Amino acid sequence: GQQVMQIPQYQHVQEGEDFTTYCNSSTTLSNIQWYKQRPGGHPVFLIQLVKSGEVKKQKRLTFQFGEAKKNSSLHITATQTTDVGTYFCARRTTSGTYKYIFGTGTRLKVLA
Amino acid sequence: DADVTQTPRNRITKTGKRIMLECSQTKGHDRMYWYRQDPGLGLRLIYYSFDVKDINKGEISDGYSVSRQAQAKFSLSLESAIPNQTALYFCATSGRTSGSTDTQYFGPGTRLTVL
Repeated sequence: GQQVMQIPQYQHVQEGEDFTTYCNSSTTLSNIQWYKQRPGGHPVFLIQLVKSGEVKKQKRLTFQFGEAKKNSSLHITATQTTDVGTYFCARRTTSGTYKYIFGTGTRLKVLA
Repeated sequence: DADVTQTPRNRITKTGKRIMLECSQTKGHDRMYWYRQDPGLGLRLIYYSFDVKDINKGEISDGYSVSRQAQAKFSLSLESAIPNQTALYFCATSGRTSGSTDTQYFGPGTRLTVL
């Protein structure tokens, strides 16, 4: 179906440790987006991946799109307290449309 | 994003009352969305509009209605509020910008409590 499974639901890490969240789909995705929501804030767009096997980096954040375009991951190297928040992936419901389905999110807490 | 505003920011109401949440944007986007957020359930799409004359139901439209008064304005109404509509509501927009046309820009949210 159109569900986007996102794991884990929660993650607590010590500051300086790495963190990864995963999005998995049973169907091929046309693209995948990632958003970050700080506590008490609103979702903010981070990145969009479109190509099979695509890897993009934003400073300590690395985004990957699977070869089969059915999964994606967000990896944060050496977490900082500013990384705290909930990370969502989002997928188009159908190729060519601008209607999106969001994953359930991964809530990250960073312990100083 | 300051270009997408929502009013009110917080609202407490009683069961059975009619409530309207408003969203305005100055980004010039043609697409607008309403989502609700509940703990552990992520963001679920209520309604979306790809232009002024185009209104579509999302995943959870029952108990809600919308109005696209202009390209810049998209309102969400709860005809008769019930307690399980207590949630955080977000408006979002997308359209042609210097970046991806898919990027959604979210408003600050409206926290609604139905007693």
